[in-house]
Amino acid sequence: GQNIDQPTEMTATEGAIVQINCTYQTSGFNGLFWYQQHAGEAPTFLSYNVLDGLEEKGRFSSFLSRSKGYSYLLLKELQMKDSASYLCAVRSNAGNNRKLIWGLGTSLAVNP
Amino acid sequence: GAGVSQSPSNKVTEKGKDVELRCDPISGHTALYWYRQSLGQGLEFLIYFQGNSAPDKSGLPSDRFSAERTGGSVSTLTIQRTQQEDSAVYLCASSPTGANTEAFFGQGTRLTVV
Repeated sequence: GQNIDQPTEMTATEGAIVQINCTYQTSGFNGLFWYQQHAGEAPTFLSYNVLDGLEEKGRFSSFLSRSKGYSYLLLKELQMKDSASYLCAVRSNAGNNRKLIWGLGTSLAVNP
Repeated sequence: GAGVSQSPSNKVTEKGKDVELRCDPISGHTALYWYRQSLGQGLEFLIYFQGNSAPDKSGLPSDRFSAERTGGSVSTLTIQRTQQEDSAVYLCASSPTGANTEAFFGQGTRLTVV
């Protein structure tokens, strides 16, 4: 079956660094996405990885290891506004059905 | 339009009634997804349309749920004989063709069945 695992909840302190992990098992692989979702709002795109390695975008970085079926999202210099749910999604490649498979999200609470 | 548009934004309906939720994807986007999200929960996949291919309906929870996409653009999600457990936010997302393209979400329809 297809499965994406993320921790349910994490807590961190303002100004600190936090790493949110995601492991996946899917029918084929065609890229991994991270999204941010604030309470009551729609998810918004953060990052995309398709090759192994680290992609850096400001305070946020995302890492991928395809051989390990593993990714993480790294948030630096945490701000209170970073309190949100972080969703990991993998685009599978089962035939012509390049569907996005979603994790349940990691709820991050940033405390002062 | 500039983004994915969903209507209505809020819908309150009586148990047993049918409802229709609408999604206008970004023009030119070939892929369209419907998801359901209950309070504090993750995204629950419902259905996926990709171009002219047969839709992936594997996420529809029961035969009371159906969706169509006319002309490869607008999509309608229909829930017949609504139940209280159908109460949730229904999110629509669209994306262009191509593996490295992200999905863009609408703001969702909050459905409350009373």
